[in-house]
Amino acid sequence: AQSVTQLGSHVSVSEGALVLLRCNYSSSVPPYLFWYVQYPNQGLQLLLKYTSAATLVKGINGFEAEFKKSETSFHLTKPSAHMSDAAEYFCAVSDGNAGNMLTFGGGTRLMVKP
Amino acid sequence: DTAVSQTPKYLVTQMGNDKSIKCEQNLGHDTMYWYKQDSKKFLKIMFSYNNKELIINETVPNRFSPKSPDKAHLNLHINSLELGDSAVYFCASSQRGEKLFFGSGTQLSVL
Repeated sequence: AQSVTQLGSHVSVSEGALVLLRCNYSSSVPPYLFWYVQYPNQGLQLLLKYTSAATLVKGINGFEAEFKKSETSFHLTKPSAHMSDAAEYFCAVSDGNAGNMLTFGGGTRLMVKP
Repeated sequence: DTAVSQTPKYLVTQMGNDKSIKCEQNLGHDTMYWYKQDSKKFLKIMFSYNNKELIINETVPNRFSPKSPDKAHLNLHINSLELGDSAVYFCASSQRGEKLFFGSGTQLSVL
């Protein structure tokens, strides 16, 4: 069985500050890991994904995430927050088999203060 | 006490059959969604319902039809199933476009 824990349901940062959204997973097999973003009043968009290639994954809008097997983590970061980054962020995990379903974390609301 | 529950979790069926996946939410949300997880595990929205009105319908074959008997339920009916329909389907709900809450998924296998 696989699971995802996102620490902190709400994260608030100042504009220009570092963004760090935490995601820890458990999986009995090497995982595929994803970050999705949900902007207000919109559906999900894929930010980035890890599928056993490079451990540092770069996504859209300046976001990146690092897969750390020893820590079973896949934290999302961005060096400098922008107001437009305010959204809900979901971490998800799946095992490597194509048909196996994603398991989502509970989401983290990122708020950006001017 | 599950917030968004969908059944069944696994569904195996023959090509040509008609099947339904049920979804219920007990969060009092006004909008419910169906997403399809494709072979690369990307999620794509299929439908959303707000107060019993369809407000999003992506390029989904008309063999797929959402049915919402009330605000708490959005079932997905699929007619004449095809091999390519095999996928994982997620139900979700939200309140007025705010944070999504997901069901645990239904893995559909068409043989």
